[in-house]
Amino acid sequence: GENVEQHPSTLSVQEGDSAVIKCTYSDSASNYFPWYKQELGKRPQLIIDIRSNVGEKKDQRIAVTLNKTAKHFSLHITETQPEDSAVYFCAASRGTSYGKLTFGQGTILTVHP
Amino acid sequence: DTAVSQTPKYLVTQMGNDKSIKCEQNLGHDTMYWYKQDSKKFLKIMFSYNNKELIINETVPNRFSPKSPDKAHLNLHINSLELGDSAVYFCASSQVRGGNTEAFFGQGTRLTVV
Repeated sequence: GENVEQHPSTLSVQEGDSAVIKCTYSDSASNYFPWYKQELGKRPQLIIDIRSNVGEKKDQRIAVTLNKTAKHFSLHITETQPEDSAVYFCAASRGTSYGKLTFGQGTILTVHP
Repeated sequence: DTAVSQTPKYLVTQMGNDKSIKCEQNLGHDTMYWYKQDSKKFLKIMFSYNNKELIINETVPNRFSPKSPDKAHLNLHINSLELGDSAVYFCASSQVRGGNTEAFFGQGTRLTVV
């Protein structure tokens, strides 16, 4: 089955800096890669996703890149703000899996004012 | 107007008891899921139903039994609760016909077994 590895497990940055979280996946048939943000005590919420036919996607301060050959994808957050502090999860899914998400272990991002 | 709602939000119970968690989605999605988030925040799928049919049943003890009376509801019943069942259980839904899309999560049920 699919295995998703996520690094780092914790990331501490100063406000205004950039943050990068990296994930690798094992199943070459995976074709959908979402990123979820989970604030303390809340539900995971999608912040950005990318499909395997695209190499990069941006949404304001957030971007995701995908390297299918190397089977890794990354989340980039620029100009970080304290409200970006949360746990971030990457996930992978294949088209035949009825949307089953295999999650990475999560990254605790702390943005210091 | 919550998209995916699950009840209860908190559940504290003794070992050996049987409990249920209910989930409903009003998004018209065809697929619903149960995920378990352990104390280390790791999220892992337990079950998936597509149009009331069980599609995914991960390696979960058979004390856990999901039931989907219709495609908008997916409940989780747990028999003979054990200390190790303590976790946050998330219901989710997505529309997978035509390709995988965003999964919407419920607010979670924090189960504590004492």
